Amino acid sequence: TQLLEQSPQFLSIQEGENLTVYCNSSSVFSSLQWYRQEPGEGPVLLVTVVTGGEVKKLKRLTFQFGDARKDSSLHITAAQPGDTGLYLCAGGSTNAGKSTFGDGTTLTVKP
Amino acid sequence: GAGVSQTPSNKVTEKGKYVELRCDPISGHTALYWYRQSLGQGPEFLIYFQGTGAADDSGLPNDRFFAVRPEGSVSTLKIQRTERGDSAVYLCASSLSPTGTGTQYFGPGTRLLVL
Repeated sequence: TQLLEQSPQFLSIQEGENLTVYCNSSSVFSSLQWYRQEPGEGPVLLVTVVTGGEVKKLKRLTFQFGDARKDSSLHITAAQPGDTGLYLCAGGSTNAGKSTFGDGTTLTVKP
Repeated sequence: GAGVSQTPSNKVTEKGKYVELRCDPISGHTALYWYRQSLGQGPEFLIYFQGTGAADDSGLPNDRFFAVRPEGSVSTLKIQRTERGDSAVYLCASSLSPTGTGTQYFGPGTRLLVL
Protein backbone atom coordinates (compact mmCIF):
# COMPACT_ATOMS: atom_id res chain seq x y z
CA THR A 1 0.00 0.00 0.00
CA GLN A 2 1.40 3.37 -1.02
CA LEU A 3 1.04 6.00 1.68
CA LEU A 4 1.77 9.70 1.64
CA GLU A 5 2.44 11.52 4.88
CA GLN A 6 2.07 15.28 5.02
CA SER A 7 3.50 17.59 7.63
CA PRO A 8 2.68 19.65 9.47
CA GLN A 9 -0.99 18.76 9.78
CA PHE A 10 -1.89 22.35 10.76
CA LEU A 11 0.00 25.60 10.22
CA SER A 12 -1.05 29.07 11.30
CA ILE A 13 1.13 32.03 10.34
CA GLN A 14 1.00 35.78 9.90
CA GLU A 15 0.69 37.47 6.54
CA GLY A 16 4.10 38.02 4.97
CA GLU A 17 5.80 35.00 6.52
CA ASN A 18 7.37 32.16 4.54
CA LEU A 19 6.47 28.52 5.03
CA THR A 20 7.27 25.03 3.81
CA VAL A 21 5.05 21.96 3.92
CA TYR A 22 6.19 18.43 3.23
CA CYS A 23 4.92 15.28 1.57
CA ASN A 24 6.82 12.06 2.22
CA SER A 25 6.45 8.44 1.18
CA SER A 26 8.36 5.20 1.28
CA SER A 27 7.12 4.45 -2.24
CA VAL A 28 8.24 5.78 -5.60
CA PHE A 29 5.67 7.65 -7.65
CA SER A 30 5.79 8.35 -11.37
CA SER A 31 4.32 11.77 -10.71
CA LEU A 32 3.22 13.87 -7.80
CA GLN A 33 0.52 16.50 -7.70
CA TRP A 34 -0.17 19.33 -5.29
CA TYR A 35 -3.75 20.48 -4.85
CA ARG A 36 -5.41 23.24 -2.86
CA GLN A 37 -8.89 22.67 -1.46
CA GLU A 38 -11.21 25.26 0.03
CA PRO A 39 -14.20 24.43 2.26
CA GLY A 40 -17.15 23.12 0.30
CA GLU A 41 -15.19 22.62 -2.89
CA GLY A 42 -13.19 19.91 -4.59
CA PRO A 43 -9.39 19.95 -4.79
CA VAL A 44 -7.89 22.20 -7.48
CA LEU A 45 -4.63 21.17 -9.11
CA LEU A 46 -1.68 23.52 -8.52
CA VAL A 47 1.15 21.61 -10.15
CA THR A 48 2.35 18.21 -11.34
CA VAL A 49 6.00 17.17 -10.98
CA VAL A 50 7.32 14.11 -12.78
CA THR A 51 11.13 14.22 -12.80
CA GLY A 52 13.30 13.51 -9.76
CA GLY A 53 14.89 16.73 -8.55
CA GLU A 54 12.42 18.85 -10.49
CA VAL A 55 11.63 22.33 -9.22
CA LYS A 56 8.60 24.28 -10.41
CA LYS A 57 7.59 27.80 -9.52
CA LEU A 58 4.09 29.23 -9.61
CA LYS A 59 4.26 32.90 -8.59
CA ARG A 60 5.05 32.76 -4.84
CA LEU A 61 4.83 28.98 -4.67
CA THR A 62 7.85 26.71 -5.23
CA PHE A 63 7.39 22.96 -5.60
CA GLN A 64 10.20 20.43 -5.43
CA PHE A 65 10.18 16.70 -6.22
CA GLY A 66 12.81 14.64 -4.43
CA ASP A 67 15.60 12.99 -6.41
CA ALA A 68 14.24 9.54 -5.57
CA ARG A 69 10.65 10.59 -6.43
CA LYS A 70 9.43 9.66 -2.96
CA ASP A 71 8.98 13.07 -1.41
CA SER A 72 8.07 16.62 -2.25
CA SER A 73 7.87 20.04 -0.67
CA LEU A 74 5.85 23.18 -1.21
CA HIS A 75 7.35 26.51 -0.20
CA ILE A 76 5.26 29.68 -0.08
CA THR A 77 6.98 33.05 0.05
CA ALA A 78 5.32 36.04 1.68
CA ALA A 79 2.09 34.22 2.47
CA GLN A 80 -1.19 36.07 2.00
CA PRO A 81 -4.63 35.45 3.56
CA GLY A 82 -5.79 34.21 0.16
CA ASP A 83 -3.36 31.29 0.51
CA THR A 84 -5.48 29.89 3.34
CA GLY A 85 -6.73 26.39 2.57
CA LEU A 86 -6.03 22.68 2.67
CA TYR A 87 -2.94 21.67 0.69
CA LEU A 88 -2.98 18.09 -0.51
CA CYS A 89 -0.31 16.07 -2.23
CA ALA A 90 -1.17 13.07 -4.37
CA GLY A 91 0.97 10.43 -6.02
CA GLY A 92 0.23 8.85 -9.36
CA SER A 93 1.51 5.74 -11.08
CA THR A 94 2.16 5.32 -14.79
CA ASN A 95 -0.12 2.36 -15.22
CA ALA A 96 -2.78 3.17 -12.66
CA GLY A 97 -5.50 5.75 -13.02
CA LYS A 98 -6.02 6.40 -9.35
CA SER A 99 -4.19 8.93 -7.22
CA THR A 100 -3.10 8.29 -3.65
CA PHE A 101 -3.65 11.34 -1.47
CA GLY A 102 -2.07 12.46 1.76
CA ASP A 103 -4.26 13.85 4.54
CA GLY A 104 -3.19 17.40 3.81
CA THR A 105 -1.83 20.44 5.59
CA THR A 106 -4.39 23.00 6.74
CA LEU A 107 -2.85 26.44 6.31
CA THR A 108 -4.25 29.57 7.92
CA VAL A 109 -2.70 32.92 7.04
CA LYS A 110 -3.77 35.70 9.39
CA PRO A 111 -3.91 39.31 8.18
CA GLY B 1 -20.44 22.03 -19.06
CA ALA B 2 -17.44 24.01 -17.98
CA GLY B 3 -16.52 21.74 -15.12
CA VAL B 4 -17.42 18.56 -13.28
CA SER B 5 -20.84 18.76 -11.66
CA GLN B 6 -22.24 16.57 -8.92
CA THR B 7 -25.77 16.16 -7.66
CA PRO B 8 -27.14 16.42 -5.12
CA SER B 9 -24.79 18.77 -3.31
CA ASN B 10 -26.07 17.50 0.03
CA LYS B 11 -27.91 14.30 0.93
CA VAL B 12 -29.29 13.34 4.32
CA THR B 13 -30.61 9.82 4.70
CA GLU B 14 -31.42 7.31 7.38
CA LYS B 15 -29.40 4.25 8.20
CA GLY B 16 -30.41 1.34 5.98
CA LYS B 17 -31.65 3.45 3.07
CA TYR B 18 -30.41 3.38 -0.51
CA VAL B 19 -28.77 6.44 -2.11
CA GLU B 20 -27.57 7.41 -5.57
CA LEU B 21 -24.98 10.09 -6.23
CA ARG B 22 -24.54 11.50 -9.72
CA CYS B 23 -21.48 12.86 -11.51
CA ASP B 24 -21.41 14.75 -14.82
CA PRO B 25 -17.80 14.87 -16.07
CA ILE B 26 -16.22 17.42 -18.36
CA SER B 27 -17.34 16.75 -21.92
CA GLY B 28 -14.88 14.55 -23.78
CA HIS B 29 -13.13 13.23 -20.69
CA THR B 30 -12.90 9.45 -20.96
CA ALA B 31 -11.59 8.78 -17.46
CA LEU B 32 -13.84 9.26 -14.42
CA TYR B 33 -12.94 8.76 -10.77
CA TRP B 34 -14.84 8.49 -7.52
CA TYR B 35 -13.19 9.37 -4.20
CA ARG B 36 -14.48 9.60 -0.65
CA GLN B 37 -13.23 12.25 1.76
CA SER B 38 -13.87 11.99 5.47
CA LEU B 39 -13.48 14.95 7.79
CA GLY B 40 -9.83 15.81 8.36
CA GLN B 41 -8.57 13.38 5.76
CA GLY B 42 -7.51 13.43 2.14
CA PRO B 43 -9.60 11.89 -0.63
CA GLU B 44 -9.65 8.09 -0.66
CA PHE B 45 -9.88 6.35 -4.03
CA LEU B 46 -12.99 4.26 -4.65
CA ILE B 47 -13.23 3.41 -8.36
CA TYR B 48 -12.21 4.65 -11.77
CA PHE B 49 -13.75 4.22 -15.20
CA GLN B 50 -12.13 4.30 -18.58
CA GLY B 51 -15.05 4.78 -20.92
CA THR B 52 -17.95 2.59 -19.82
CA GLY B 53 -15.93 0.00 -17.97
CA ALA B 54 -14.61 0.04 -14.42
CA ALA B 55 -10.83 -0.17 -14.90
CA ASP B 56 -10.09 -0.32 -11.18
CA ASP B 57 -12.67 -0.83 -8.42
CA SER B 58 -10.18 -1.84 -5.75
CA GLY B 59 -11.14 1.05 -3.49
CA LEU B 60 -14.80 0.13 -3.04
CA PRO B 61 -15.06 -0.73 0.66
CA ASN B 62 -17.61 -3.55 0.33
CA ASP B 63 -20.39 -4.91 -1.86
CA ARG B 64 -22.84 -2.24 -0.65
CA PHE B 65 -21.06 0.18 -2.97
CA PHE B 66 -21.52 0.02 -6.73
CA ALA B 67 -20.92 2.46 -9.58
CA VAL B 68 -21.97 2.56 -13.21
CA ARG B 69 -21.20 4.63 -16.27
CA PRO B 70 -23.42 3.07 -18.95
CA GLU B 71 -22.77 5.53 -21.79
CA GLY B 72 -19.25 6.56 -20.94
CA SER B 73 -20.25 9.98 -19.67
CA VAL B 74 -22.46 10.41 -16.58
CA SER B 75 -21.70 8.11 -13.66
CA THR B 76 -23.79 7.09 -10.68
CA LEU B 77 -22.41 5.86 -7.37
CA LYS B 78 -24.92 3.66 -5.58
CA ILE B 79 -24.82 2.81 -1.89
CA GLN B 80 -27.14 0.18 -0.48
CA ARG B 81 -28.13 -0.26 3.17
CA THR B 82 -26.31 2.90 4.20
CA GLU B 83 -24.45 2.98 7.50
CA ARG B 84 -23.45 5.94 9.66
CA GLY B 85 -19.82 5.29 8.72
CA ASP B 86 -20.66 6.05 5.10
CA SER B 87 -21.07 9.72 6.00
CA ALA B 88 -18.47 11.67 4.04
CA VAL B 89 -17.98 13.91 1.03
CA TYR B 90 -18.06 11.91 -2.18
CA LEU B 91 -15.90 13.52 -4.85
CA CYS B 92 -15.94 12.86 -8.57
CA ALA B 93 -13.13 13.77 -10.95
CA SER B 94 -12.61 13.42 -14.68
CA SER B 95 -9.52 13.39 -16.86
CA LEU B 96 -8.54 13.23 -20.50
CA SER B 97 -5.83 10.73 -19.64
CA PRO B 98 -6.17 7.75 -17.30
CA THR B 99 -2.48 7.61 -16.42
CA GLY B 100 -0.85 9.04 -13.34
CA THR B 101 0.21 12.20 -15.14
CA GLY B 102 -3.23 13.13 -16.38
CA THR B 103 -4.80 16.13 -14.69
CA GLN B 104 -7.87 15.22 -12.68
CA TYR B 105 -10.54 17.90 -12.45
CA PHE B 106 -12.69 17.56 -9.37
CA GLY B 107 -16.30 18.42 -8.81
CA PRO B 108 -17.53 20.14 -5.63
CA GLY B 109 -18.62 16.85 -4.08
CA THR B 110 -21.79 15.45 -2.54
CA ARG B 111 -21.98 15.67 1.23
CA LEU B 112 -23.67 12.52 2.49
CA LEU B 113 -24.94 12.34 6.05
CA VAL B 114 -26.36 9.05 7.31
CA LEU B 115 -28.41 9.45 10.47
